[in-house]
Amino acid sequence: QVQLRESGPDLLKPSQTLSLTCAVSGDSISVGGFLWSWVRHQPDKGLEWIGYIYYTGAAYYTPSLKNRVTISLDTPMNQVFLRLNSVTDADTATYFCAKGVIAKEYFTHWGQGIRVTVSS
Amino acid sequence: HSALTQPASVSGSPGQSITISCTGTSDNIGRYSLVSWYQQFPGKAPKLLIYEDKKRASGISDRFSGSISDILVNTAILTISGLQFDDEADYYCCSYVGDANVLFGGGTTLTVL
Repeated sequence: QVQLRESGPDLLKPSQTLSLTCAVSGDSISVGGFLWSWVRHQPDKGLEWIGYIYYTGAAYYTPSLKNRVTISLDTPMNQVFLRLNSVTDADTATYFCAKGVIAKEYFTHWGQGIRVTVSS
Repeated sequence: HSALTQPASVSGSPGQSITISCTGTSDNIGRYSLVSWYQQFPGKAPKLLIYEDKKRASGISDRFSGSISDILVNTAILTISGLQFDDEADYYCCSYVGDANVLFGGGTTLTVL
């Protein structure tokens, strides 16, 4: 059974760069037909899709974050990365990685999430 | 991309059926049969319930069903029948909106009275 686990810093200062890692086990991120996504849940708000990356390495992002976000893969290490530049308080959230199905756009497996706080 | 609108809250009694609506536009729900629904408990990861509008995810009870409304334009519906206290959670719709983009609804809090 595929498992995803997020890791990274839990506290950042404004203007810093958030770097998160999603370690995938029980599955290979290079298998065709699947995508790997990042979704966040800000306090007292709903879920927000950040972006996803195909097994090919092609990445797509939500327009509101497109200028600050990068999602990448390390296929040998079976890891997915999120990089968010110039963070502000508004980026405080629980960040989830998720496995999805290309062309079907739904997410079958999720990590437990990592709580990230941005504060000066 | 336009928002997906869900009611902020719904409630029901054990054994009853409830519906949660998710209203989009002709550019998302009205164009693609790619609505999914997720259940999320506080502090937990979302869980896939329904995909491709009406297909039930593996292991999900048949008390959960998805559909596209025949009455309300560009609206997806999640129905939970035989309501149980354990169903009390937040529910999110999600739709493909074109241009390799996905959008979540604002979420609906279900209270079982």
